[in-house]
Amino acid sequence: DADVTQTPRNRITKTGKRIMLECSQTKGHDRMYWYRQDPGLGLQLIYYSFDVKDINKGEISDGYSVSRQAQAKFSLSLESAIPNQTALYFCATSAGQGTEAFFGQGTRLTVV
Amino acid sequence: QKEVEQNSGPLSVPEGAIASLNCTYSDRGSQSFFWYRQYSGKSPELIMFIYSNGDKEDGRFTAQLNKASQYVSLLIRDSQPSDSATYLCAATTGGTSYGKLTFGQGTILTVHP
Repeated sequence: DADVTQTPRNRITKTGKRIMLECSQTKGHDRMYWYRQDPGLGLQLIYYSFDVKDINKGEISDGYSVSRQAQAKFSLSLESAIPNQTALYFCATSAGQGTEAFFGQGTRLTVV
Repeated sequence: QKEVEQNSGPLSVPEGAIASLNCTYSDRGSQSFFWYRQYSGKSPELIMFIYSNGDKEDGRFTAQLNKASQYVSLLIRDSQPSDSATYLCAATTGGTSYGKLTFGQGTILTVHP
């Protein structure tokens, strides 16, 4: 089993729908991240969390919200999906400052 | 200005050549720097990390860090077709968002036989 698991792996949703992407990890890491990837734009940080009570906005948080339900779980929500949120989304974890980030398999989201 | 910027590419090199990938960062408080490789449709995977000024070598890969110039690079020697991928530079920031991990836009590398 993967150490960082994202569900669903693929999702097609309609404009205006609420959707949640889930991430769970078995690595015991405190830090978790949500990134969005569009062609040619690398990984853009949406939200990050350094522990259960710490949630921070990244570069592109508008239109997104997150919930850190436990050390192992970090969910990303699109309250009202729009087509330009069509992208590949990655969850990542790290043990602490200056340590390697480990990525989930990604969720390919299409908003029609 | 993006916090981490990479040379736009794409970069194409012949098999056996040296591929040079470059990255600059804007936050002087950045402490840690990473190079990830990402194959199409896959998750990024770590190749190298570097914390101190100078060079760090691991097999065919060499990471170089110059904090005064805020510059990080990755050299791939004896490039192979299997090295063809997108390479992502990342840095952890300092200041009020200490430890935030930020990525550049990536450089697509193609190694042709």
